[in-house]
Amino acid sequence: AQKITQTQPGMFVQEKEAVTLDCTYDTSDPSYGLFWYKQPSSGEMIFLIYQGSYDQQNATEGRYSLNFQKARKSANLVISASQLGDSAMYFCAMNGGAGSYQLTFGKGTKLSVIP
Amino acid sequence: ETGVTQSPTHLIKTRGQQVTLRCSSQSGHNTVSWYQQALGQGPQFIFQYYREEENGRGNFPPRFSGLQFPNYSSELNVNALELDDSALYLCASSLRVASGRGKTQYFGPGTRLLVL
Repeated sequence: AQKITQTQPGMFVQEKEAVTLDCTYDTSDPSYGLFWYKQPSSGEMIFLIYQGSYDQQNATEGRYSLNFQKARKSANLVISASQLGDSAMYFCAMNGGAGSYQLTFGKGTKLSVIP
Repeated sequence: ETGVTQSPTHLIKTRGQQVTLRCSSQSGHNTVSWYQQALGQGPQFIFQYYREEENGRGNFPPRFSGLQFPNYSSELNVNALELDDSALYLCASSLRVASGRGKTQYFGPGTRLLVL
């Protein structure tokens, strides 16, 4: 079974500052993928970034980067230069195992960007 | 490129009724997954459809059922609605690939179901 833990129910960040959202995971699968999604109040889950378990480098997508520490089973999302539009719920998720397409999500972190 | 669409956006039903939710996958995708998101929680996997067959199921009772059509669109049916079925139902589409970023699922805007 896979498990995602997000320990920060809510976070505040000043506009233009960087923020780190924590995510730890647990799995027995040797191959897995880690994802971050953003969910505004409208409800749609927006894909942000992906990290494969065998990827040697940390993933980056624009202002988003993933701090992947495999030995510690952590996959923290770093948002640089926060913008007001970044205020939303953020979910860490994973899949894994051959033929596994099911995503397991954490409970999410609510990020509020302060002007 | 057309994204994932879902209908209806909102729905109100009473306990014991049946409901059908619809999803059109993103162009080029052949796999559809459904998730239930209760208030304040992360989404929970219901099931996935590939080649018009159920291909993986989460911890949901048989009264949750689905269909996938030849054009890869999908339906989620819930019978004998219970109050706890009130949630946001999300549909996600993806392309059937072996591994990697290609497994990324892209979500629709969801259907908010309220059971009274």
